[in-house]
Amino acid sequence: QKEVEQNSGPLSVPEGAIASLNCTYSDRGSQSFFWYRQYSGKSPELIMFIYSNGDKEDGRFTAQLNKASQYVSLLIRDSQPSDSATYLCAVKGDMRFGAGTRLTVKP
Amino acid sequence: DAGVIQSPRHEVTEMGQEVTLRCKPISGHDYLFWYRQTMMRGLELLIYFNNNVPIDDSGMPEDRFSAKMPNASFSTLKIQPSEPRDSAVYFCASSQRGGANVLTFGAGSRLTVL
Repeated sequence: QKEVEQNSGPLSVPEGAIASLNCTYSDRGSQSFFWYRQYSGKSPELIMFIYSNGDKEDGRFTAQLNKASQYVSLLIRDSQPSDSATYLCAVKGDMRFGAGTRLTVKP
Repeated sequence: DAGVIQSPRHEVTEMGQEVTLRCKPISGHDYLFWYRQTMMRGLELLIYFNNNVPIDDSGMPEDRFSAKMPNASFSTLKIQPSEPRDSAVYFCASSQRGGANVLTFGAGSRLTVL
């Protein structure tokens, strides 16, 4: 099994700040990584994936992958209260998720 | 497409009763996954199917749990007999290609076993 580890938090940031969510993985051969967002009482939804070293941007979201250090992170710029959710990471090829990090953005 | 459809949305039952959860995947998706989510254990993969065939059931907690996929448009997860510790939200998800991790989840079935 390819394992991912997340700091379950909770993480609290003020509105407008940068939220940084991290995920480490054990299999050095892992190629691609996925971030899902889950609002309270809802089902997870895919928000980003990344498969190469470096950064990938999508609006206020940036995924960063560092294969040498075996971690992937998700940065949320200009955090909004609507970003308050649990963020789950997963590695390609394994349908298992990390424990998730609960993010709260305070107005 | 209506997305992944799960039923029932809520189920309350008594310990020892049989529970059947149902899932209709997105048409054309050939992978189907069952997950269980609790506060303590997070989102756990129970089993997944490819083209109606079970591929990995290592996450099924014990023999009380069983899953079937008789055709491409329907799957069931059965718990018999149910126990209070089975109380959780059960999600079904489907994808077009396994390993791509682009999963579409259903709304979930919240199970409470008294």
